Amino acid sequence: DTAVSQTPKYLVTQMGNDKSIKCEQNLGHDTMYWYKQDSKKFLKIMFSYNNKELIINETVPNRFSPKSPDKAHLNLHINSLELGDSAVYFCASQGLQETQYFGPGTRLLVL
Amino acid sequence: AQSVTQPDIHITVSEGASLELRCNYSYGATPYLFWYVQSPGQGLQLLLKYFSGDTLVQGIKGFEAEFKRSQSSFNLRKPSVHWSDAAEYFCAVGPTSYDKVIFGPGTSLSVIP
Repeated sequence: DTAVSQTPKYLVTQMGNDKSIKCEQNLGHDTMYWYKQDSKKFLKIMFSYNNKELIINETVPNRFSPKSPDKAHLNLHINSLELGDSAVYFCASQGLQETQYFGPGTRLLVL
Repeated sequence: AQSVTQPDIHITVSEGASLELRCNYSYGATPYLFWYVQSPGQGLQLLLKYFSGDTLVQGIKGFEAEFKRSQSSFNLRKPSVHWSDAAEYFCAVGPTSYDKVIFGPGTSLSVIP
């Protein structure tokens, strides 16, 4: 039974399109995150939500809009995709002592 | 400011050899410290963590790490590396502002058969 799941696993799209990534956790945690991992493997936090409320927004462009319909779900919608958005996007759920539980990632390629 | 450094971008070891991956941090108090592993094409998996108590922490897959406050370090070790250990390894520290965790830049491990 997967703890943190993301869909889709791969996403290939054209510049200018709008796309969404979905994330679900069944760990019962209150806090969830979106991270972006670039081609050099550097992990950058984008957003965090605690029980459906936005807590962290790390100066991410307005084209990125997270949505949390309930504390088990955190989705990421991206408008007007750009080449520089190509990356791997990870969802994570946070447990005790700030331990992060990661999803498998969504590999986004913008052409 | 809180930060994490991993001085080695890439390390290559022979299978069966011992391994030590370095991690240094900057933090005002006693931090929570983590090591995560990312196998190719996968998400990050927690190897081990330190939050209090014994400074030598045992993790999964035969890894251990030692918290040394005087050196602001949390180095990861394994006595005998297996080919399946080839992966990216991330050190992390927290909690920082808003309880978030800061990840280091990662160390890529290659294993020679």
